Amino acid sequence: DTGVSQDPRHKITKRGQNVTFRCDPISEHNRLYWYRQTLGQGPEFLTYFQNEAQLEKSRLLSDRFSAERPKGSFSTLEIQRTEQGDSAMYLCASSVPGTEIYNEQFFGPGTRLTVL
Amino acid sequence: TQLLEQSPQFLSIQEGENLTVYCNSSSVFSSLQWYRQEPGEGPVLLVTVVTGGEVKKLKRLTFQFGDARKDSSLHITAAQTGDTGLYLCASNQAGTALIFGKGTTLSVSS
Repeated sequence: DTGVSQDPRHKITKRGQNVTFRCDPISEHNRLYWYRQTLGQGPEFLTYFQNEAQLEKSRLLSDRFSAERPKGSFSTLEIQRTEQGDSAMYLCASSVPGTEIYNEQFFGPGTRLTVL
Repeated sequence: TQLLEQSPQFLSIQEGENLTVYCNSSSVFSSLQWYRQEPGEGPVLLVTVVTGGEVKKLKRLTFQFGDARKDSSLHITAAQTGDTGLYLCASNQAGTALIFGKGTTLSVSS
């Protein structure tokens, strides 16, 4: 399967714990995006990378959130001191080089986070 | 910030019926994408429309882009249970983040 993969698919944690999610984009996709989706809403943008550079961060991305893409391939999203309001589906997407006008993004299956 | 409004929010129909869902904005779209999302999965891209007045067909799905590029519709002919899901429209922001509507939840029963 050459699609976007995310790990883990589900994570249950207690409030105050740190969690880390991983995303592996489609090979040779130089752009990688993180979104968050809560029940009844569409995905909301968190941050994106072009290669290893983090180029944009949403105001939704509080100081407790950090994302990295150290070698321009996979990316990690860490949430420190989780809160119940962090419970959501965290989606990763990647885009094909050369289609910035259309910005067609391909999504992974998501990581469902539940904070107790 | 461009806001996308989708309607209806929920739609429940019988297999074989036709339906149309809508996506509207007060701003002009540079391009618009439609995604379908099943529970517990990520959105899957269905189509991208770019040109005002454009019509694209994907089997039983017909996508229209308004002439002024401020609205779009998705029409499904003879709905099947496999069409059940959340239909999302999303707008491109110059190569970076997509802005999504809240989606239309479609339930097709046999």
